[in-house]
Amino acid sequence: DSGVTQTPKHLITATGQRVTLRCSPRSGDLSVYWYQQSLDQGLQFLIQYYNGEERAKGNILERFSAQQFPDLHSELNLSSLELGDSALYFCASSVSQGTNSPLHFGNGTRLTVT
Amino acid sequence: AQTVTQSQPEMSVQEAETVTLSCTYDTSESDYYLFWYKQPPSRQMILVIRQEAYKQQNATENRFSVNFQKAAKSFSLKISDSQLGDAAMYFCAYRDTSNTGKLIFGQGTTLQVKP
Repeated sequence: DSGVTQTPKHLITATGQRVTLRCSPRSGDLSVYWYQQSLDQGLQFLIQYYNGEERAKGNILERFSAQQFPDLHSELNLSSLELGDSALYFCASSVSQGTNSPLHFGNGTRLTVT
Repeated sequence: AQTVTQSQPEMSVQEAETVTLSCTYDTSESDYYLFWYKQPPSRQMILVIRQEAYKQQNATENRFSVNFQKAAKSFSLKISDSQLGDAAMYFCAYRDTSNTGKLIFGQGTTLQVKP
């Protein structure tokens, strides 16, 4: 158990809808990262927060947004969903940035857009 | 921009034998970290091993070891005495020491272990 909790585990929704994915980092971890993994693909970095502030953006679509709350949990909001957004979305956390402390990953949320 | 390349989409190994997964990366930084993650069919991401670029000694974790060649920007993973439970996709990842600390992943290598 990595200590990172993601909910829900599975999500099935229709095109055009909006969903929210939730992540609770490991206790004591200040940094949260979101990744997208499409079928049989590598992990693509979406966005990072550190202690409530956005720190880095990757290839995140304008239809996607995220935030990190004072209690350090994070939410990834996906709107105007398209079939191509179907993927496994991972949240990861780490104690700090720029160190050898690894990223600890949650079990992911599998999103299916029909 | 940093990139990570895994040139072997698929590999197979006989149970109890040794296999090496390749990874190369491109960076202009001198200080960084490298990781191997394992993703079994359950799709969990499990840390296998890590290496600090400033350390010349190759990291080892039980049956897993790396061959880190900094000048060649190469970071291969060796799995000894392969077990059926080692079957998974393996991702090589680079982490810089900038203020983001995000991981950049390779495309992955699927490892099949034959009984």
